[in-house]
Amino acid sequence: GENVEQHPSTLSVQEGDSAVIKCTYSDSASNYFPWYKQELGKRPQLIIDIRSNVGEKKDQRIAVTLNKTAKHFSLHITETQPEDSAVYFCAAPFNTNAGKSTFGDGTTLTVKP
Amino acid sequence: EAGVTQSPTHLIKTRGQQATLRCSPISGHTSVYWYQQALGLGLQFLLWYDEGEERNRGNFPPRFSGRQFPNYSSELNVNALELEDSALYLCASSLWDGKETQYFGPGTRLLVL
Repeated sequence: GENVEQHPSTLSVQEGDSAVIKCTYSDSASNYFPWYKQELGKRPQLIIDIRSNVGEKKDQRIAVTLNKTAKHFSLHITETQPEDSAVYFCAAPFNTNAGKSTFGDGTTLTVKP
Repeated sequence: EAGVTQSPTHLIKTRGQQATLRCSPISGHTSVYWYQQALGLGLQFLLWYDEGEERNRGNFPPRFSGRQFPNYSSELNVNALELEDSALYLCASSLWDGKETQYFGPGTRLLVL
């Protein structure tokens, strides 16, 4: 089955700095990679995703990069703001037929003003 | 468009009792997923239902079970509750379009005393 490892588990940055969170996966059949943000006491919400036919995708201050050869994908947040503080989860489905996502253990990002 | 809904929001039970949690997916979504999130921890996959059938389950004992109804809503049952079952139980739904974006409900917080 799929195994997803997420690093780091905690990340503290100064407001305005960049933050990078990385995930590695094991199943080469995985072809869809979403990132979720979970604010304290709230539900996880999709913030960005990428498919395996694309190497990079951007949405304003966030971007995701994918390296299928190395089986890793990363979330990049630029110009961080205090409201970016949350837990971020990556996910990697086994494959679309299995339909089961395996989530990383999460990264707690703290942006200090 | 209404999002994923869950009921109840909070549930208090004593050890040995049974708990029933409910989830209504986004209209048109056929897949429902259940996750357990213990305090401060990640998302542990419990069950996946699609088109009324259980498609996969995570590494949880058989006392965690559920079902999906013809209207695609779902129910999670936890029998013989143990203290360590105390957690936030999240339901997510997805449209089976091969992209597997999961949209989460607000969760049910279960406390076992």
